[in-house]
Amino acid sequence: AQRVTQPEKLLSVFKGAPVELKCNYSYSGSPELFWYVQYSRQRLQLLLRHISRESIKGFTADLNKGETSFHLKKPFAQEEDSAMYYCALNAGGGNKLTFGTGTQLKVEL
Amino acid sequence: GAVVSQHPSWVICKSGTSVKIECRSLDFQATTMFWYRQFPKQSLMLMATSNEGSKATYEQGVEKDKFLINHASLTLSTLTVTSAHPEDSSFYICSARGSEGHRFGELFFGEGSRLTVL
Repeated sequence: AQRVTQPEKLLSVFKGAPVELKCNYSYSGSPELFWYVQYSRQRLQLLLRHISRESIKGFTADLNKGETSFHLKKPFAQEEDSAMYYCALNAGGGNKLTFGTGTQLKVEL
Repeated sequence: GAVVSQHPSWVICKSGTSVKIECRSLDFQATTMFWYRQFPKQSLMLMATSNEGSKATYEQGVEKDKFLINHASLTLSTLTVTSAHPEDSSFYICSARGSEGHRFGELFFGEGSRLTVL
């Protein structure tokens, strides 16, 4: 069975500091991985997906199959980055996502 | 952007009653919608996949007779919690998969519905 692990429930960084939100997955096949973000009092929304290999709002994430990781990174945190971040795995297609438990990112001034 | 709307956003009901939650895709068609459940400080757990015009597919451990899902049109799926009990209190979230054009395959989430059963 597939599993997504986000080891940190809360990550607190200062504005301008680098950010890395960890995500590890367990899946025997070829995974499709996503990062979703939920800002305060807003709905869950897609931040980025590994197949796009793009940078959104300064965030990037690289799929490392050897380490089964998909860590989310940003070189310089901004106050508006404060939110809940979920890593999700789409195993076998069909958009049936398995979510991690989420990491609350708090960017302090 | 594509919008998915859930209604009601919160509901309080007495134990033993049934509650219906609606999930609508407002500006796109969605042949497939998903229902999730989220307990406080926990992750979203997929409950079922709702397919327009056919029976829903439930995840292991989810009682289909307890959580009735109907996907009668390309823009509406409903989740009915039957004979609700306090342990059914939770945050229920739906997502809809775009079925055409540039939205094909992308998931859009509703704002969630908080159910409290007294």
